[in-house]
Amino acid sequence: QSALTQPPSASGSPGQSVTISCTGTSNDVGGYNYVSWYQQHPGKVPKLMIYEVSKRPSGVPARFSGSKSGNTASLTVSGLQAEDEADYYCGSYAESNNLIFGGGTKLTVL
Amino acid sequence: QVQLQESGPGLVKPSETLSLTCVVSGYSINRGYYWGWIRQPPGKGLEWIGSMYHSGYTFYNPSLRGRVAISVDTSKNQIFLKMNSVTAVDTAVYYCARFPGSGREINYWGQGILVSVSS
Repeated sequence: QSALTQPPSASGSPGQSVTISCTGTSNDVGGYNYVSWYQQHPGKVPKLMIYEVSKRPSGVPARFSGSKSGNTASLTVSGLQAEDEADYYCGSYAESNNLIFGGGTKLTVL
Repeated sequence: QVQLQESGPGLVKPSETLSLTCVVSGYSINRGYYWGWIRQPPGKGLEWIGSMYHSGYTFYNPSLRGRVAISVDTSKNQIFLKMNSVTAVDTAVYYCARFPGSGREINYWGQGILVSVSS
């Protein structure tokens, strides 16, 4: 199994929207609605932001949204705020009860 | 409030076995969910190691299968990780985690423990 593909970096100004992509195959992202997204600030534990493609856990701002089209999932952060600057990782169910991650995207708020 | 806390040696010698324990509080392991481990080498991304249901169903990352064993002690509400024949590439922060199903999202994380492999 190969890791999911994410852009290494993304950026946006405060108040803008930014979208991070996560590309896999029909054996993972495209085949199942179990895509998740995690936010990780430096030195901190990853935090679940999106699960099952587009669901938000309690306490996650509505500015964070997820979607999927074919083999590519996306995380959109609207109304960017300074505290959104972090690394973001996507994860997906893969065949035979496996979990694979993307390489991570560093989001910079300009 | 579900809490997970990892413990174990912070330094392991090459070729030896890495052993970690995760104590779960606020939720009984045998009530359900999958429990397992994630790791993150310094400055790098996340890697799923494996997941286990309390009844014994266990799934491992194919790239680590054969070197890794995950087990649970429901009487002590603890989860264990053993990884043998470690090398420097196994140096990472190891997180204990809870999953609604193997391959699914991680909805609870431990604080993580840095394990370095060095002589």
